[in-house]
Amino acid sequence: QKEVEQDPGPLSVPEGAIVSLNCTYSNSAFQYFMWYRQYSRKGPELLMYTYSSGNKEDGRFTAQVDKSSKYISLFIRDSQPSDSATYLCAMSFSAGYGGATNKLIFGTGTLLAVQP
Amino acid sequence: NAGVMQNPRHLVRRRGQEARLRCSPMKGHSHVYWYRQLPEEGLKFMVYLQKENIIDESGMPKERFSAEFPKEGPSILRIQQVVRGDSAAYFCASSRQGGSGTDTQYFGPGTRLTVL
Repeated sequence: QKEVEQDPGPLSVPEGAIVSLNCTYSNSAFQYFMWYRQYSRKGPELLMYTYSSGNKEDGRFTAQVDKSSKYISLFIRDSQPSDSATYLCAMSFSAGYGGATNKLIFGTGTLLAVQP
Repeated sequence: NAGVMQNPRHLVRRRGQEARLRCSPMKGHSHVYWYRQLPEEGLKFMVYLQKENIIDESGMPKERFSAEFPKEGPSILRIQQVVRGDSAAYFCASSRQGGSGTDTQYFGPGTRLTVL
């Protein structure tokens, strides 16, 4: 079982739709949760960063973390063709977990296509 | 306001040659991370370095791979005697601080290594 599971898609939606992207994880020691966006043949770009459980909103993007279910989500409202990219969830451990460092554990990414 | 710089952007090597990948972190960042992205896979952590120190190399293959981050100059990821399976995109990230989950990582554009 992978530490972080993410549906690879592809996910195709019409412009203006609400998009829901999800990841599940197996290790309860994860405390920091991130979403990165990666355009084709580019480096990942940080979108959202959350600590522990709860919601965080930034413009059209909302990140949710449910630690009890080991489940995180990214919602994109009013999706635009420019949102077409691969979305990667990433996690890191809490301080003191087995000598944890700041390394990120990534999901495999979900390819999103927003059709105009 | 330069971000993380990586060069070369594309590198072609024949089996058995050496590959050297360079990474200059963002200004003010002293922590560097290397990740590898294989086709159809997510990013996999390789190594985490501070100036002149390797902090975490738990993701580095045991043979042929090495990394350094000297006091002066960029971080270098070195792959000796490359094989076709080393073909991948190699991404460098940097952060201002280290420690578990305390600081976000910003990624460079990547070096795409092709082994013939």
